[in-house]
Amino acid sequence: EIVLTQSPATLSVSPGARATLSCRASQSVGSNLAWYQQKPGQAPSLLIYGASTRATGVPARFSGSGSGTEFTLTISSLQSEDFAVYYCQQSNVWPPLTFGGGTQVEIK
Amino acid sequence: EVQLVESGGGLVQPGGSLRLSCAASGFTFSSYWMHWVRQAPGKGLVWVSRINSDGSSTNYADSVKGRFTTSRDSAKNTLYLQMNSLRAEDTAVYYCARGGGVTMLEFDSWGQGTLVTVFS
Repeated sequence: EIVLTQSPATLSVSPGARATLSCRASQSVGSNLAWYQQKPGQAPSLLIYGASTRATGVPARFSGSGSGTEFTLTISSLQSEDFAVYYCQQSNVWPPLTFGGGTQVEIK
Repeated sequence: EVQLVESGGGLVQPGGSLRLSCAASGFTFSSYWMHWVRQAPGKGLVWVSRINSDGSSTNYADSVKGRFTTSRDSAKNTLYLQMNSLRAEDTAVYYCARGGGVTMLEFDSWGQGTLVTVFS
């Protein structure tokens, strides 16, 4: 089973600032990595798939990069609606499909 | 607009059973793989199961294998999760999700979730 480790667990960022979230895989997942956003009391929503492709309707301030075992989600200028928990998920080796433990982005 | 609406959650004792349903609309249900993902209170996301587009192939997390069964009815545009021999650790919000992206192994649409509580 591929283990995804997200860091940091919590990220405190000021509105308008840049946020960089990390996801590390226990073995290579190629580019088969997705990112999700989950706001309190809501279902997750897909942000990025294929490591760097934005899902339909996702603002351009969200970008994904990386391949192999190291991945990054960058939010270029945090808006109030971006404060949420972010999860990475791999689909290269399955079952099982696995998620990281999440990074909470909070207001500084 | 893609819509996924789960139902069937509730309170159940250990060893009991529940069947969750997920009604799909706004897309060609029979063309997509579908998944169940769960989230224990205050915890992260855990993939539970996947079913292919015609229902002929399924996969499960080890933690539910042999106890849970996922199925689909394309005539009713509905996905199911039959949960037997429930344990306290199965307590979670259960989401159905559509397989999207390039491989149908990413989750591009989610339902609102249904809460399953296993208590004694």
